[in-house]
Amino acid sequence: GQQVMQIPQYQHVQEGEDFTTYCNSSTTLSNIQWYKQRPGGHPVFLIQLVKSGEVKKQKRLTFQFGEAKKNSSLHITATQTTDVGTYFCAGMDNYGQNFVFGPGTRLSVLP
Amino acid sequence: ETGVTQTPRHLVMGMTNKKSLKCEQHLGHNAMYWYKQSAKKPLELMFVYNFKEQTENNSVPSRFSPECPNSSHLFLHLHTLQPEDSALYLCASSQDWTWGSLGEQYFGPGTRLTVT
Repeated sequence: GQQVMQIPQYQHVQEGEDFTTYCNSSTTLSNIQWYKQRPGGHPVFLIQLVKSGEVKKQKRLTFQFGEAKKNSSLHITATQTTDVGTYFCAGMDNYGQNFVFGPGTRLSVLP
Repeated sequence: ETGVTQTPRHLVMGMTNKKSLKCEQHLGHNAMYWYKQSAKKPLELMFVYNFKEQTENNSVPSRFSPECPNSSHLFLHLHTLQPEDSALYLCASSQDWTWGSLGEQYFGPGTRLTVT
C-alpha cells in the first residue's frame, strides 16, 4: 500500500537557524498537504500543493512539490521558538482513494 | 478554536465497556473524518463521511463503529476495545471529499482514550 516517509524524525536547531523537512511517497500523489501540530495540540493545516514543481511561500515557510509528485519539502528560514512542533505531510494518491499521513518531523528550537 | 468540538476530552474505559465519542463541526462542511493518533504510528485515517455517506473505511476493526446522523455531527461508538486501542482520537472536517483534492481539514482537540 501507499507509504509516506519523512526525514528527519527529529531536528534540534538554534533559534535563527534554518530548518528543512522532507516528505517522500512510495506512489505518485494527486496533491500533498502540510500540517503543524504543537505539543499537546491538534494538527493545523498549513498548505496544499497540487501542481508538479509547485512552490508556495508563507512568510518564512517555503513549500515545494516535486516534479514527479512523489516528494515534497518544507523549509523554514530563521526559525523562531514559535515554530516548535511536529510537521506532518499528508498525501492523496492518484486514484483519490488513499489519504496517508507521514510520521512527522519534530522540531525543537533552542532560544 | 477551529470550529470543531469533541467530547469527552478524556476517557478511561474497561475492555468490556461501551462508550461513544462525539464530534460536532460548526463550519458548514460536508465531510467529516475520524483519525487515530498513537505514539508508535503516524496519524491513521479511520473513517470518512461525505454528505453523510461513509466513503472510506480503512480496514478498521468492527469494535469501532461510526455514525453520522447529519453533516454536522459524527460519532464513534466503541465496544470491547483492547489496550492497544489507547490513543488520541481526532475528528476533522473539510468542505467535502472529492477525487484529487481533499481540501483543508480542520481538526478538533481530540479525545484521549485509555483502555484498561
